[in-house]
Amino acid sequence: SAVISQKPSRDICQRGTSLTIQCQVDSQVTMMFWYRQQPGQSLTLIATANQGSEATYESGFVIDKFPISRPNLTFSTLTVSNLSPEDSSIYLCSVGGDGQPQHFGDGTRLSIL
Amino acid sequence: KQEVTQIPAALSVPEGENLVLNCSFTDSAIYNLQWFRQDPGKGLTSLLLIQSSQREQTSGRLNASLDKSSGRSTLYIAASQPGDSATYLCAVNNQGGKLIFGQGTELSVKP
Repeated sequence: SAVISQKPSRDICQRGTSLTIQCQVDSQVTMMFWYRQQPGQSLTLIATANQGSEATYESGFVIDKFPISRPNLTFSTLTVSNLSPEDSSIYLCSVGGDGQPQHFGDGTRLSIL
Repeated sequence: KQEVTQIPAALSVPEGENLVLNCSFTDSAIYNLQWFRQDPGKGLTSLLLIQSSQREQTSGRLNASLDKSSGRSTLYIAASQPGDSATYLCAVNNQGGKLIFGQGTELSVKP
């Protein structure tokens, strides 16, 4: 299975700033996904990132708040912009397709002061 | 809209017991269903993937079943161990690889 590395593993940020999270995969993958896990909650999909096209966002998530880059088949970034306390969550990237298991990185734990 | 429910929300058992975790979903038009384990402060570990055409999958002490027509899946853990203590999540894949997760079952296995 793919090995997924996320950076940073955790961060504490000031309100109004932005944080960019990196996701690196050890093999080329077509689809990458970004999820959010709010405290005590399950995972919710933010967007799907395919190389060479704009990310597809789920209802309730917008590009201005969560811009995503996918420059190649092994790397993606998620930026969380204009941070507020409500953005305190774990952010996870995953890879996998329709017929294959999805695998997740260890996540980025974000706290907002 | 697909909704995934897991029952119970929490479960505490003595070591050695066999146990069943339940997952139900509202839309039976799924590609597959996946069970994950999440340890505190960690990411997700994939346990089992069941394709829509399959009835069950087994890995070691774990057995997952799928009844697509009734919208149900179960995860059976045999001879539970303290190391099995974690939150177990089920997720369905409706289309395009997008997973919809249940709220999870927090399992505690007491020595």
